[in-house]
Amino acid sequence: GAVVSQHPSRVICKSGTSVKIECRSLDFQATTMFWYRQFPKQSLMLMATSNEGSKATYEQGVEKDKFLINHASLTLSTLTVTSAHPEDSSFYICSARDDPRGSPLHFGNGTRLTVT
Amino acid sequence: QKEVEQDPGPLSVPEGAIVSLNCTYSNSAFQYFMWYRQYSRKGPELLMYTYSSGNKEDGRFTAQVDKSSKYISLFIRDSQPSDSATYLCAMSYSGGYQKVTFGTGTKLQVIP
Repeated sequence: GAVVSQHPSRVICKSGTSVKIECRSLDFQATTMFWYRQFPKQSLMLMATSNEGSKATYEQGVEKDKFLINHASLTLSTLTVTSAHPEDSSFYICSARDDPRGSPLHFGNGTRLTVT
Repeated sequence: QKEVEQDPGPLSVPEGAIVSLNCTYSNSAFQYFMWYRQYSRKGPELLMYTYSSGNKEDGRFTAQVDKSSKYISLFIRDSQPSDSATYLCAMSYSGGYQKVTFGTGTKLQVIP
């Protein structure tokens, strides 16, 4: 149980274009999902908390107009990187808890974004 | 000082060895402790989840938490080449919505 699916696993786009990443909880409902970014040899950095039916909560230093988050249903959150630039190239990973009262995070398999 | 410190390694061991992975932390308010395994280009996979101090065993894996020393460990017995991955420790104040803080990860290589 507690499977989180993320798509696509890899995307290459040109500078200035936008990219959408989907995160789905397959066997549970998630009122909250979390988006992380991971640089090589560095830890996971929380970007934002996605809340179903309301606005996402962004961590300090994360541009909300750059990284648009939509959590339209209890099983789907999307992250759109708008007007992508090479410095946005990174590994983006979503996660969710299957029990909001208390359970560990379950992660998707990540999306490798390369902006050329 | 980082909230969570983890030796990045790499750590190389022969197959069958006992592996010890460790993290220290500075915030005594952390109550929940986790270990994740991350293969290259994949998302982290939950290995162990513990609350407060004590030991927890699951197959070849044992997690230990010593809150008095602010120190957590993951032991892997009879290590296998398939255990080669990066191991991330993580902790949070509570099990609910609270933010999870991760270590930088230790890269482990088990040599056949």
